[in-house]
Amino acid sequence: KAGVTQTPRYLIKTRGQQVTLSCSPISGHRSVSWYQQTPGQGLQFLFEYFSETQRNKGNFPGRFSGRQFSNSRSEMNVSTLELGDSALYLCASSSNREEAFFGQGTRLTVV
Amino acid sequence: EDQVTQSPEALRLQEGESSSLNCSYTVSGLRGLFWYRQDPGKGPEFLFTLYSAGEEKEKERLKATLTKKESFLHITAPKPEDSATYLCAVQAGGGNDMRFGAGTRLTVKP
Repeated sequence: KAGVTQTPRYLIKTRGQQVTLSCSPISGHRSVSWYQQTPGQGLQFLFEYFSETQRNKGNFPGRFSGRQFSNSRSEMNVSTLELGDSALYLCASSSNREEAFFGQGTRLTVV
Repeated sequence: EDQVTQSPEALRLQEGESSSLNCSYTVSGLRGLFWYRQDPGKGPEFLFTLYSAGEEKEKERLKATLTKKESFLHITAPKPEDSATYLCAVQAGGGNDMRFGAGTRLTVKP
């Protein structure tokens, strides 16, 4: 079956702009989690959506937000981009409380 | 606060030289411990889930074990294609969020 699809794969934005990233989970999976990966901090949890509701949130500022649609597809948005937001953003899909499967990620570069 | 520590940070092996990677954790109410493999520029690839102390799982040259304080990923007779970063993560609480360790970067030389 198809895996987790993230779009776009690469993105270059300017400081102060906003960006929206998209994630299509594995068919039948209702949980979508987002992670930020940087060389210095590793993989850090942003938030999780389950059945269109945010179920859990990590320690990131309010500039980071997300949503989930009725078909389980999810988007995350980062407003007022900062240089430190440059990272690989990963989406993970799972059925409830089982192992998570990751997409290939979106590489965001803020200049 | 939940903590996950992986060691060593980097490991270089000769092809066929078996070794183990360590993941020590401090978490309240562990629901699961996960091992992932990540190649450069790609998303993590799921390997194993362990739920309780004493549990073991195997896949090809990899074997994962779990105690109450740590997990080991044993690599038997590794090949160059096993070169990757191996990530350990723990899950607790009610959601699906995971806390990851920093990873072990494994290089296997032919």
